Amino acid sequence: ILNVEQSPQSLHVQEGDSTNFTCSFPSSNFYALHWYRWETAKSPEALFVMTLNGDEKKKGRISATLNTKEGYSYLYIKGSQPEDSATYLCAAGHQGGKLIFGQGTELSVKP
Amino acid sequence: NAGVTQTPKFRILKIGQSMTLQCTQDMNHNYMYWYRQDPGMGLKLIYYSVGAGITDKGEVPNGYNVSRSTTEDFPLRLELAAPSQTSVYFCASGYEGGRTSPLHFGNGTRLTVT
Repeated sequence: ILNVEQSPQSLHVQEGDSTNFTCSFPSSNFYALHWYRWETAKSPEALFVMTLNGDEKKKGRISATLNTKEGYSYLYIKGSQPEDSATYLCAAGHQGGKLIFGQGTELSVKP
Repeated sequence: NAGVTQTPKFRILKIGQSMTLQCTQDMNHNYMYWYRQDPGMGLKLIYYSVGAGITDKGEVPNGYNVSRSTTEDFPLRLELAAPSQTSVYFCASGYEGGRTSPLHFGNGTRLTVT
């Protein structure tokens, strides 16, 4: 059974705070780690795809790192803004093409 | 390009009825996926396909069937609908299972079984 875990489940921060979330996944037969941003009533929107141990990706105020040996990825948001409020999903790809999602971290940023 | 198109957008079914959720993509992606959104659980994988003629079970396949006769289409069939199948269903597609590029999602189908 492939289990992808995200923590925390929810997070409430003030505008301007920096925050980070964790995604844990089984490292055996792993081939890729995805991060998506998901707003209510919309489809998930891709943020990053990472494959190699030590990978780091950045898009504006959002960045992510990957550790494939220990099976975790971090997503960082610097200087959170109210428009960053959304659910952040990670998905781990394993041999055979199976992409399994975590349960998501719901971020709420108060002005 | 239309991307990933799902139909219908909404549907209400009575217990025991059956229906097919349609999904088509025009990006020539080899991999396609069906997920359901469970509250507080993110997205659960129902079935996936690595190419035409090949399908495989995901995390929650019971009560569903799929087929992949063409690269473009990946319909999801619900037989004998149950209240537990009330959910929002997302179809997605991608190259090589998302090894180097992300999945593209449809807009979802909201299904209610009463």
